[in-house]
Amino acid sequence: EPEVTQTPSHQVTQMGQEVILRCVPISNHLYFYWYRQILGQKVEFLVSFYNNEISEKSEIFDDQFSVERPDGSNFTLKIRSTKLEDSAMYFCASKPGSNQPQHFGDGTRLSIL
Amino acid sequence: RKEVEQDPGPFNVPEGATVAFNCTYSNSASQSFFWYRQDCRKEPKLLMSVYSSGNEDGRFTAQLNRASQYISLLIRDSKLSDSATYLCVVKIAAGNKLTFGGGTRVLVKP
Repeated sequence: EPEVTQTPSHQVTQMGQEVILRCVPISNHLYFYWYRQILGQKVEFLVSFYNNEISEKSEIFDDQFSVERPDGSNFTLKIRSTKLEDSAMYFCASKPGSNQPQHFGDGTRLSIL
Repeated sequence: RKEVEQDPGPFNVPEGATVAFNCTYSNSASQSFFWYRQDCRKEPKLLMSVYSSGNEDGRFTAQLNRASQYISLLIRDSKLSDSATYLCVVKIAAGNKLTFGGGTRVLVKP
């Protein structure tokens, strides 16, 4: 069964540094998402991406965040200047069509020191 | 009021027993409903979509009550492998983002 894959599985970064989280969505999927889950809390929506542009973003997704789909297969989340509170599990998700359920990758654990 | 609210549990369930739990949502424009399961420190995995007429997938039955704005999940003949956190997930009509509840933890014991 095709899967959403994410790399790295764990990223440790110094506060203030830039970090890029990578995702390879399922190949025929058209809608892409990033979510995060702070330890012990619920999963929170960050951003959705469709047709090469952001379609929706949450208030968490401020100017330090950006997304890109550089080559038709990768979907990246960049955090420009990381803060301690950015420590969380980041999940990428994708789906083939508007009314289809989203499928999640196994996440990147981001630890900011 | 939280957008999607769940009893955090845990629900301690003897193996082979039936367990059921609900989730309430606040936005009446919510259009699509799902149950995902999440194992400890893992990604959410789709368990089932929830349809207006209710639906069943093996030992799992989901119901939707639009008037009272809640959905339910029933697990019959619980297995040890059913131990997980069950996430109630809602999508409103206007957007594609998913809104998650905090999850209901289920522990199935021998």
